[in-house]
Amino acid sequence: EAQVTQNPRYLITVTGKKLTVTCSQNMNHEYMSWYRQDPGLGLRQIYYSMNVEVTDKGDVPEGYKVSRKEKRNFPLILESPSPNQTSLYFCASSWGIANTGELFFGEGSRLTVL
Amino acid sequence: AQSVTQLGSHVSVSEGALVLLRCNYSSSVPPYLFWYVQYPNQGLQLLLKYTSAATLVKGINGFEAEFKKSETSFHLTKPSAHMSDAAEYFCAVIVSGGSYIPTFGRGTSLIVHP
Repeated sequence: EAQVTQNPRYLITVTGKKLTVTCSQNMNHEYMSWYRQDPGLGLRQIYYSMNVEVTDKGDVPEGYKVSRKEKRNFPLILESPSPNQTSLYFCASSWGIANTGELFFGEGSRLTVL
Repeated sequence: AQSVTQLGSHVSVSEGALVLLRCNYSSSVPPYLFWYVQYPNQGLQLLLKYTSAATLVKGINGFEAEFKKSETSFHLTKPSAHMSDAAEYFCAVIVSGGSYIPTFGRGTSLIVHP
């Protein structure tokens, strides 16, 4: 089954404790992206990757890191989480934005930073 | 620069009534336009998309949207609302020939009353 898988789905952590949210897709997609969703603000892009070893900042990259060492994986790293990073996070992927643009989303990771 | 405006953060309808969710875009070149739906506790999934073919686009679950260049609009409609349509709806735009990075609207929450 074609899917985008995120882990963990739910996480409660404390300020400053490094964490990684994993994202994996099995569709051989070139494009991958991370978004955060907050009430009243919709979806905001954190980072995106056009292909392996190519990443770029989105609209709200501060406090986050990403890497794209393999085509299927695109982990989101919070080196020192803070309470303002409490949010719902989505990973998404696409065949190639230039073709259809349709994004496939994971089910989301709800993060709470105390 | 591309942008999307969704009018109304919440829309409330009665079951069986017409659903109209508004989306206006800003783009200096022909856009690709999308509607995504997010059911509670799930990720986003594609509802329908416009990619410069027919201006009236039909999607899943009886939804459709019409691209109106003169009005820079891509409103989503459904003739008769069902309780299962209650969800968050996002409009998104990609500008052809540009970075192909999608821009999302802030979302409209559809509430369906019995």
